[in-house]
Amino acid sequence: DVVMTQSPLSLPVTLGQPASISCRSSQSLVYSDGNTYLNWFQQRPGHSPRRLIYKVSNRDSGVPDRFSGSGSGTDFTLKISRVEAEDVGVYYCMQGTHWPFTFGPGTKVDIK
Amino acid sequence: EVQLVESGGGLVQPGRSLRLSCTASGFTFGDYAMSWFRQAPGKGLEWVGFIRSKAYGGTIEYAASVKGRFTISRDDSKSIAYLQMNSLKIEDTAVYYCARGRLNLDYWGQGTLVTVSS
Repeated sequence: DVVMTQSPLSLPVTLGQPASISCRSSQSLVYSDGNTYLNWFQQRPGHSPRRLIYKVSNRDSGVPDRFSGSGSGTDFTLKISRVEAEDVGVYYCMQGTHWPFTFGPGTKVDIK
Repeated sequence: EVQLVESGGGLVQPGRSLRLSCTASGFTFGDYAMSWFRQAPGKGLEWVGFIRSKAYGGTIEYAASVKGRFTISRDDSKSIAYLQMNSLKIEDTAVYYCARGRLNLDYWGQGTLVTVSS
């Protein structure tokens, strides 16, 4: 199975400051069709997961533009340009290139 | 508005069975694959499996941890996806979510809690 790692696992941030989460895969996530199936999900406390980013860098409808995704191959990053209170929660990367699809362990973002 | 509502969770003894339902609305259910996930208390997300749409053969994939014990099915006429869970183990205790799609995963239900305990 493809192992997804994230760092840091805990990220205390100051409101209005940027935040960055790294996600690495044990194998390249480039699929045979040329796409890279790397998603980012946000899970606020007590809520279901919500997709933020798909195929590395495509932001979902309704997702604030302070969220951005980047990366390629095995190395990916989720950035929040200016953290707001509503961004508190756990962020997961997930690969959909190799079955079984796998998630990273999650990064807990909270406010300092 | 797209909605997914899971139901059927509860307390069940080890070795017993439970069937979860995921009732969809707001989209053409038959056009989409449907996925199941779970999240053990205080833990991360785990993919349980998915079922493709009929247009893609309706084929199913399972995580190794549930293969042979869990069965995913769908009733497109009712817009419902099912997760039949047999031979339940204590480690199957989790909130179970359904989501639209196989890679899309753009809509998720609110989850239903399954507790396996004697």
